[in-house]
Amino acid sequence: KNEVEQSPQNLTAQEGEFITINCSYSVGISALHWLQQHPGGGIVSLFMLSSGKKKHGRLIATINIQEKHSSLHITASHPRDSAVYICAVRWGGGADGLTFGKGTHLIIQP
Amino acid sequence: EAQVTQNPRYLITVTGKKLTVTCSQNMNHEYMSWYRQDPGLGLRQIYYSMNVEVTDKGDVPEGYKVSRKEKRNFPLILESPSPNQTSLYFCASSHRLAGGPMGTDTQYFGPGTRLTVL
Repeated sequence: KNEVEQSPQNLTAQEGEFITINCSYSVGISALHWLQQHPGGGIVSLFMLSSGKKKHGRLIATINIQEKHSSLHITASHPRDSAVYICAVRWGGGADGLTFGKGTHLIIQP
Repeated sequence: EAQVTQNPRYLITVTGKKLTVTCSQNMNHEYMSWYRQDPGLGLRQIYYSMNVEVTDKGDVPEGYKVSRKEKRNFPLILESPSPNQTSLYFCASSHRLAGGPMGTDTQYFGPGTRLTVL
């Protein structure tokens, strides 16, 4: 079965640190999404990638298609970045569904 | 305001009592989907719809039904709920890019429905 793996599962860091969350997947994809789930439960889409790199504010997402790997980086982390970050992929070959990683629980301490 | 709405937000019910969770979007999105989220398992796709009258199974469709009679609505139906369907449910929608792969646009999520089946 095609799988999506995220690491680390849990991450605690100090305010201001550079954060990296990783996502790897087993076979070719047509798109990869990074999502943020707030402590209250709401889910927000951060990025959708099919190649290269995207940046929005302090967030940067990269994807390496050959290595089947994506990273989400947070620069100058802040306590309000504390959330669960979820990677989701749409498999290649015409698939339309999404498969999700189990998420990375990030806590940024002041 | 662009949004995806779900109702109810919270529901406690008993085994076997049919229920419907509604989902509606006001962005004219073609693609809509239902997910459930469980501790330790993450989000899993239940059903999705690529357009009106077009639906398909996700990874965990057993025990659920959906319909897409109108573009804006995508209700999730539990004909005979069981305790293992206790979960947090999310509806989401996105555009289908003209000529592009399905669902390669930003996903907009509803606020979630917390369902408890006793």
